[in-house]
Amino acid sequence: KAGVTQTPRYLIKTRGQQVTLSCSPISGHRSVSWYQQTPGQGLQFLFEYFSETQRNKGNFPGRFSGRQFSNSRSEMNVSTLELGDSALYLCASSLIGQSHNEQFFGPGTRLTVL
Amino acid sequence: AQTVTQSQPEMSVQEAETVTLSCTYDTSESDYYLFWYKQPPSRQMILVIRQEAYKQQNATENRFSVNFQKAAKSFSLKISDSQLGDAAMYFCAYRGMNYGGSQGNLIFGKGTKLSVKP
Repeated sequence: KAGVTQTPRYLIKTRGQQVTLSCSPISGHRSVSWYQQTPGQGLQFLFEYFSETQRNKGNFPGRFSGRQFSNSRSEMNVSTLELGDSALYLCASSLIGQSHNEQFFGPGTRLTVL
Repeated sequence: AQTVTQSQPEMSVQEAETVTLSCTYDTSESDYYLFWYKQPPSRQMILVIRQEAYKQQNATENRFSVNFQKAAKSFSLKISDSQLGDAAMYFCAYRGMNYGGSQGNLIFGKGTKLSVKP
């Protein structure tokens, strides 16, 4: 069974631009969560989607948004990019939205904002 | 709010030796999950071991075991017979019990970089 895939793997943008990252969960998984990883702040939760609905949201500004499609694939969007948005963005999927389910992580998208 | 603290930014172990990584957490909940994740230089986050707070027995997975002290809010990871492939960042994480279709988010510690010397 294929793992979680994220595209693109690397991305370079300039300040003020917007970016869309994509995550395809493991087949059959319906819950997708996004995390931001930076050297300074570590791993921080962005949001969680289950059945096309945002179920949980971290403490990030409104420039960060996401959505989930009927096939469980998810996208996150960052508008008006800032230098501080440079990070590794990780996506994780799990079977359903229940606490006991393991989250499987993708390889991440490395975003660099110049 | 829940917090997770890993007090050892870096650790080093000799191949075939045993090493223990520390983790403490703070929560007012009685039921929750604790995890250790491994992130090698390839960056793919991999689950190493999981502990349910309601289980008193410490979880083990082959060479990996935990020492879960609920009252002390401590959750350390012991790696036995360390191998070169164990070199990675190790993250301790907490997740509370959630309902209503949400699995709840993981709260991570800052990580411990483990080096394995041949």
